[in-house]
Amino acid sequence: QVQLQQWGAGLLKPSETLSLTCAVYGGSFSGYYWSWIRQPPGKGLEWIGEINHSGSTNYNPSLKSRVTISVDTSKNQFSLKLSSVTAADTAVYYCARGYTFYIAARPRFPVYYFDYWGQGTLVTVSS
Amino acid sequence: AIRITQSPSSLSASTGDRVTITCRASQGISSYLAWYQQKPGKAPKLLIYAASTLQSGVPSRFSGSGSGTDFTLTISCLQSEDFATYYCQQYYSYLPLTFGGGTKVEIK
Repeated sequence: QVQLQQWGAGLLKPSETLSLTCAVYGGSFSGYYWSWIRQPPGKGLEWIGEINHSGSTNYNPSLKSRVTISVDTSKNQFSLKLSSVTAADTAVYYCARGYTFYIAARPRFPVYYFDYWGQGTLVTVSS
Repeated sequence: AIRITQSPSSLSASTGDRVTITCRASQGISSYLAWYQQKPGKAPKLLIYAASTLQSGVPSRFSGSGSGTDFTLTISCLQSEDFATYYCQQYYSYLPLTFGGGTKVEIK
């Protein structure tokens, strides 16, 4: 059974860097894309970005300038860093596995839905 | 970016009711749509992918339909454990992947 367990600092001051890590237990680490998704209190879901086992990344254009996602395949872990946080970055952050495949129309780009999620980490940005 | 408009944003229903939630994409996404259920304080749970395929272990009272731009999630006979918030997600265009705004299903 696949399990995602995430951790990281829950309280930050404005301008600091958010740092979270997600460990994957069970199942294969390669062959999937791994994402970070966030949810501000009482609001909807926002995809932050993705990484695969080779370290190939893509980010939401709205956050791209501040986001770095990295991978440690020796530990089956991937991490999120979000720099220069503000109160608007206060949210529950989730890691998730993308059940990945490719479609004929765009064979170079993965498509996926999220079949496994971490438990979520509330990150609060406050001075 | 593909925008997903989900409606209604909330609804009240009783146990046993039939409930329908819709998502409309701003452009065609074929059948690359998933539905999730989220309960308070929990991560979303995958219910349906490819617009109409039930994820393993999901009760058959949940069903999905649609293709192109218009999609529907139906709960045929609402149970007490179904009171939650539901989200759709398109995965046709992944920069960025986008979700609908959510539908909160509340007890009438």
